[in-house]
Amino acid sequence: DAGVIQSPRHEVTEMGQEVTLRCKPISGHNSLFWYRQTMMRGLELLIYFNNNVPIDDSGMPEDRFSAKMPNASFSTLKIQPSEPRDSAVYFCASRTGPHGYTFGSGTRLTVV
Amino acid sequence: GEDVEQSLFLSVREGDSSVINCTYTDSSSTYLYWYKQEPGAGLQLLTYIFSNMDMKQDQRLTVLLNKKDKHLSLRIADTQTGDSAIYFCAENSGNTPLVFGKGTRLSVIA
Repeated sequence: DAGVIQSPRHEVTEMGQEVTLRCKPISGHNSLFWYRQTMMRGLELLIYFNNNVPIDDSGMPEDRFSAKMPNASFSTLKIQPSEPRDSAVYFCASRTGPHGYTFGSGTRLTVV
Repeated sequence: GEDVEQSLFLSVREGDSSVINCTYTDSSSTYLYWYKQEPGAGLQLLTYIFSNMDMKQDQRLTVLLNKKDKHLSLRIADTQTGDSAIYFCAENSGNTPLVFGKGTRLSVIA
């Protein structure tokens, strides 16, 4: 079991550019979560999916953020256009059942 | 909405016990969790407790739950330098997403 796989591990981009973060959940896990971690705000839930369907995207900060899950083994989080305040570590997690989240190693995004 | 609060920092000497505290507001919480985050890594589940329990022990870890006061604690016995990390308290009800505290940074002094 390779765990939850996120790519890239690090991303540095210029303000205004499009950024796409990728996540491969654990096979058989039916829920997927995108979180953002910053020093000031801690871990914030951005959006989550059950069985590939977005359930709650109320945590997505602005229309610049969008997420998709075209199939059970892949999800993307896109920021377009990116801004310096989007700099953070973005985590993907998956689970099956009421507990037992497994987190990926995260993508550290820096927007300059 | 739900809220989970933790103190931000804790410093202990190697070999001592560490106690990390957490309070939460959601009275319908079903499960409460402790996660550990080491530098540059994701969060790793340490242990969890079901809301109808008041204690759970797993090797050096002891979780205490006071449901009346909505207070959760994690005790690490014989704390080692490898225990230095950020510890997150989290809760949920059934299949809802986890709500995390801001994390407690544990520093272990040799």
